[in-house]
Amino acid sequence: GQQVMQIPQYQHVQEGEDFTTYCNSSTTLSNIQWYKQRPGGHPVFLIQLVKSGEVKKQKRLTFQFGEAKKNSSLHITATQTTDVGTYFCAGTGVYNSGAGSYQLTFGKGTKLSVIP
Amino acid sequence: GAVVSQHPSWVICKSGTSVKIECRSLDFQATTMFWYRQFPKQSLMLMATSNEGSKATYEQGVEKDKFLINHASLTLSTLTVTSAHPEDSSFYICSARELAGIAKNIQYFGAGTRLSVL
Repeated sequence: GQQVMQIPQYQHVQEGEDFTTYCNSSTTLSNIQWYKQRPGGHPVFLIQLVKSGEVKKQKRLTFQFGEAKKNSSLHITATQTTDVGTYFCAGTGVYNSGAGSYQLTFGKGTKLSVIP
Repeated sequence: GAVVSQHPSWVICKSGTSVKIECRSLDFQATTMFWYRQFPKQSLMLMATSNEGSKATYEQGVEKDKFLINHASLTLSTLTVTSAHPEDSSFYICSARELAGIAKNIQYFGAGTRLSVL
């Protein structure tokens, strides 16, 4: 089945340092999404990438979708304490006929800790 | 963004009792709702997908008689954990999707329900 691998599992950075998390899929994806889950909270949608090679920015966050549509990355420039949380990528792959839905497979997430 | 309300946020129950969790889409009609389970420091594990008016599709290893899902309307889905046991203690999160199709496969999550079974 479709698998989405995400690395690293944990990342501790000093405030002001950059941070990157990587996502790799076993299959070609239709699109990829990124979510952020704050400690004790629920996942919140950040962005969706659809096109091969697409790059999108949200302030200090830069999202990339690989040319082959099998990998993606999230890069945070100059981290702040408000960036703390777990970042999940989720890939839309094959159509699940049983569920009547396109399957969205989540990576295991990267937990970011920012040291003030 | 779209808002999904999940209730209750926290429940403590005795072993053997049943617990119902509600998931509502507040400002949109959810054609599909998803139920996830998340263990501490783990990722989201999809339990089942429910489409309004039809039976839920359960993921492999998830007991359908244990986790009853009802999606009676376009704005409400419920998950009932029947005869709960301590091993069912977990964080349960629902999500809802407004429209079908690849481009609209964005899920909006509820705040989650933390279930503790004594």
